[in-house]
Amino acid sequence: DAGVIQSPRHEVTEMGQEVTLRCKPISGHNSLFWYRQTMMRGLELLIYFNNNVPIDDSGMPEDRFSAKMPNASFSTLKIQPSEPRDSAVYFCASTRAGWGYEQYFGPGTRLTVT
Amino acid sequence: GESVGLHLPTLSVQEGDNSIINCAYSNSASDYFIWYKQESGKGPQFIIDIRSNMDKRQGQRVTVLLNKTVKHLSLQIAATQPGDSAVYFCAENIQGAQKLVFGQGTRLTINP
Repeated sequence: DAGVIQSPRHEVTEMGQEVTLRCKPISGHNSLFWYRQTMMRGLELLIYFNNNVPIDDSGMPEDRFSAKMPNASFSTLKIQPSEPRDSAVYFCASTRAGWGYEQYFGPGTRLTVT
Repeated sequence: GESVGLHLPTLSVQEGDNSIINCAYSNSASDYFIWYKQESGKGPQFIIDIRSNMDKRQGQRVTVLLNKTVKHLSLQIAATQPGDSAVYFCAENIQGAQKLVFGQGTRLTINP
């Protein structure tokens, strides 16, 4: 079992550049979650999908952030344009149902925007 | 290492002792609770969960207690080991919201 796979593990980019984070959920899981973890705000839910459909994106900070899930095995989180305050660790998690089940987290992508 | 809150509560225990990590949750409508462990440079890892119709659940060396009256959750770790050093998060699922809300976390340090 490969677990949740995220890429890249580390990303360093300059302010204004587009950043794309990728996630492959565990096979058979039908819900996918994107989180952001920072020193100041802790672990925040950005958006989640059920059966590839975005259900709640109320945690997305602003229009610079967008997420897609074109199929059951792949999701992207895009930031365009990136800003230094976007620097954080971004986690993807998946689970077998919309709620009430443990979420399995990936290793995270550490994003640094200079 | 991981990025966690600047003022993260910290608990230090001696190796071999039992530890208790506490969490106050916010919503009386929450019906499912979960504890995660996060080691430096890694994603949160599931430890144990409990539904609101229970007040206690045990796993291997861990026990979760739920007191719905005061909206309090605790994680007990028996005979702590160096590998238990990590940040521990509680999370609640608010019924109908279909998502977990995480607490700020507690850093557990095991002293040799």
